[in-house]
Amino acid sequence: NAGVTQTPKFHILKTGQSMTLQCAQDMNHGYLSWYRQDPGMGLRRIHYSVAAGITDKGEVPDGYNVSRSNTEDFPLRLESAAPSQTSVYFCASLSCTDTQYFGPGTRLTVL
Amino acid sequence: AQKVTQAQTEISVVEKEDVTLDCVYETRDTTYYLFWYKQPPSGELVFLIRRNSFDEQNEISGRYSWNFQKSTSSFNFTITASQVVDSAVYFCALSELGYQLIWGAGTKLIIKP
Repeated sequence: NAGVTQTPKFHILKTGQSMTLQCAQDMNHGYLSWYRQDPGMGLRRIHYSVAAGITDKGEVPDGYNVSRSNTEDFPLRLESAAPSQTSVYFCASLSCTDTQYFGPGTRLTVL
Repeated sequence: AQKVTQAQTEISVVEKEDVTLDCVYETRDTTYYLFWYKQPPSGELVFLIRRNSFDEQNEISGRYSWNFQKSTSSFNFTITASQVVDSAVYFCALSELGYQLIWGAGTKLIIKP
């Protein structure tokens, strides 16, 4: 039982490039979410999904897209990266005790 | 509106001292959850505790203890006999149904040997 996994751990992009951050969970949790963490800003929710086929916007969705084709995976896509998207990204799943468990994070730099 | 305030930006203590991290929250709901997470220098977010609004019992887990007081809307975290490994950023968070987490800004705890 790996919990929540994220790949890659680190990545550097150039402005305008696209990329997909991967999130996978093996706990059969319905609710998954993406957060970004920036210095002095705490964590902010980008997108979330309550079940396969259902996604919704969080607090800071602009510039990001998500899809949920199955229970396990919840990829986050940056279509045209901007320096403002330099951040640490966390994926989280919600357990049956209403606790969110986080993946190890992806540190993304956009030059 | 919901809000979580961690007024202490950074705390520095010497090893073996006790330290309390403050958390004050605002919510209009009667049903909610409060959480503490730890973020060590390695960067992962580690869940420490969850409390629901109907359970005001204090909790102790080893050197960690939590004091939840609805009357003052506070959920404070105490580390007894601190150790260098406790050095981390600690976040307090609030949610009303476990879905949307509202985060405090975090308190950076430095334990000096």
